[in-house]
Amino acid sequence: KAGVTQTPRYLIKTRGQQVTLSCSPISGHRSVSWYQQTPGQGLQFLFEYFSETQRNKGNFPGRFSGRQFSNSRSEMNVSTLELGDSALYLCASTREGDYGYTFGSGTRLTVV
Amino acid sequence: QQQVKQSPQSLIVQKGGIPIINCAYENTAFDYFPWYQQFPGKGPALLIAIRPDVSEKKEGRFTISFNKSAKQFSLHIMDSQPGDSATYFCAASMRGYGNKLVFGAGTILRVKS
Repeated sequence: KAGVTQTPRYLIKTRGQQVTLSCSPISGHRSVSWYQQTPGQGLQFLFEYFSETQRNKGNFPGRFSGRQFSNSRSEMNVSTLELGDSALYLCASTREGDYGYTFGSGTRLTVV
Repeated sequence: QQQVKQSPQSLIVQKGGIPIINCAYENTAFDYFPWYQQFPGKGPALLIAIRPDVSEKKEGRFTISFNKSAKQFSLHIMDSQPGDSATYFCAASMRGYGNKLVFGAGTILRVKS
């Protein structure tokens, strides 16, 4: 069974640019969450989507946004990139009612 | 109140030893406590999880001990192997909170052969 697929795996962007990351959840999983992982702050929750609706949002500025499509695939967007946005961005999916998240391998974003 | 405090930051044990990683939380509304294992270049993988109505859960060589009154839980790895060398994260979430996981800071485990 295919896992959670995130694309691209690596990305280098310049300050001020914007970026879109993609996540394909496991088939049948309708809940998709995004996390940011950095050495200093650890794993931090960005937002969660279910049935194309954002159900919960973490404490990140409005530059961070996301969406979910009818096939449960999700994208997150970061606008006006800052150096501090350099991180591993992880997507995770689960079935509704199930707390056990499956994570993808992440997208490593470097902002220069 | 949303924090999960994890210790130690790093741990080195000999092969066959039993590393123990501890976590503490404040919010009594948390009702699900998973442990994740992460290897370099990979996302976290769910190892084992427990709910607060159970004091201990075992899955293979991994055991969670849960102390509801102390608001603490720990991971024990029996007969540890070099392949267990990874970063371990505890986490907590609560019903009705949109499946948000609150993670501990992580423990880097090295098992020496």
